[in-house]
Amino acid sequence: NADVMQNPRHLVRRRGQEARLRCSPMKGHSHVYWYRQLPEEGLKFMVYLQKENIIDESGMPKERFSAEFPKEGPSILRIQQVVRGDSAAYFCASSPLGSGANTGELFFGEGSRLTVL
Amino acid sequence: KQEVTQIPAALSVPEGENLVLNCSFTDSAIYNLQWFRQDPGKGLTSLLLIQSSQREQTSGRLNASLDKSSGRSTLYIAASQPGDSATYLCAVKAGANNLFFGTGTRLTVIP
Repeated sequence: NADVMQNPRHLVRRRGQEARLRCSPMKGHSHVYWYRQLPEEGLKFMVYLQKENIIDESGMPKERFSAEFPKEGPSILRIQQVVRGDSAAYFCASSPLGSGANTGELFFGEGSRLTVL
Repeated sequence: KQEVTQIPAALSVPEGENLVLNCSFTDSAIYNLQWFRQDPGKGLTSLLLIQSSQREQTSGRLNASLDKSSGRSTLYIAASQPGDSATYLCAVKAGANNLFFGTGTRLTVIP
């Protein structure tokens, strides 16, 4: 869904560098989810954020990965000291409803494809 | 832990055929099930969302069914077209903050 904006679409980093991926949710949505898709694998949940709050980060590696969704501006997924295994497509999704409602539909962006050399 | 399986992994059909894609999940305690389409190098486009209380949803040539008790969903595509070629993903919402995805069925419709 083009209304969930992710950038950059493609990012190349060398091992040890930092990667920053940005996501602007659909207008009116205040809930953001990050998913990772490794080659030949399904999408895996990483983190769920509301404005200024991390609600659930159970799917995010404990080290090197962090996410934020500030009051102003896009959500950012940050990967420090990247390794080759971080190469993947990272997708952002947004929802107008709190996931406590359970039934909300998620709308996905076109993804950011990270390649670590 | 919820596991979602999609069979077949790949499917090729001639244009005009009707086809069925299958999705199964291990835990029937779900809130909804969503079918997505993913084109190569692109994001996910939502096709159909079925709430747990519903049995099916239809949109144009697409019909999705849900049998929660048996842990199954099907996506039926009528009169397939080459433009339908893509990977189709099934995802179940089984927790407040999580969608569990299958690995998808790669569909090729041959003109």
